[in-house]
Amino acid sequence: DAKTTQPNSMESNEEEPVHLPCNHSTISGTDYIHWYRQLPSQGPEYVIHGLTSNVNNRMASLAIAEDRKSSTLILHRATLRDAAVYYCILRKTSYDKVIFGPGTSLSVIP
Amino acid sequence: DVKVTQSSRYLVKRTGEKVFLECVQDMDHENMFWYRQDPGLGLRLIYFSYDVKMKEKGDIPEGYSVSREKKERFSLILESASTNQTSMYLCATLSSSSGNTIYFGEGSWLTVV
Repeated sequence: DAKTTQPNSMESNEEEPVHLPCNHSTISGTDYIHWYRQLPSQGPEYVIHGLTSNVNNRMASLAIAEDRKSSTLILHRATLRDAAVYYCILRKTSYDKVIFGPGTSLSVIP
Repeated sequence: DVKVTQSSRYLVKRTGEKVFLECVQDMDHENMFWYRQDPGLGLRLIYFSYDVKMKEKGDIPEGYSVSREKKERFSLILESASTNQTSMYLCATLSSSSGNTIYFGEGSWLTVV
């Protein structure tokens, strides 16, 4: 399985943009890049995913490097509710084992 | 929206008891997963299933078994609960129709005393 690397923790001020990086240097051409987040005492929830092009949705934006070896999840204006652990994973087919790394713990400072 | 329902949010069981954790999904997804999550260890995959009556071991299957008799239901079984199985258990299902998006239940907090 291709692996991802994320910083253990990050901090952001409220109402400022947050850029959460993820490295996936062994990504293959058919791997989708997925982001999930886990709020305290809840199961992880889907945030966004992409293959090659940058993606936007109501929660966040996903910027994918041209060589696809890294990606960045962008929260445009951090709120206190965005404090969570953010996971970046790669998905190839629906039959892959789904393995999560430790993720990035995001703290938002009022 | 996909709904993944775990039958119990909080359970307290005694050492040696048989424990069933039930998970039901409402979207006819083929793939279902059971994880446990412990502080400092992240999400660890216990078992997963591609279809009815099919199961595959994850990274930490010891002490657990699973049952998938119907497509919508995936049960995790602790044959003889031990204190080191105190944890949060998460069920998930996967949609192959939307880029393999994974949907999680809210989690079941199990305490074994």
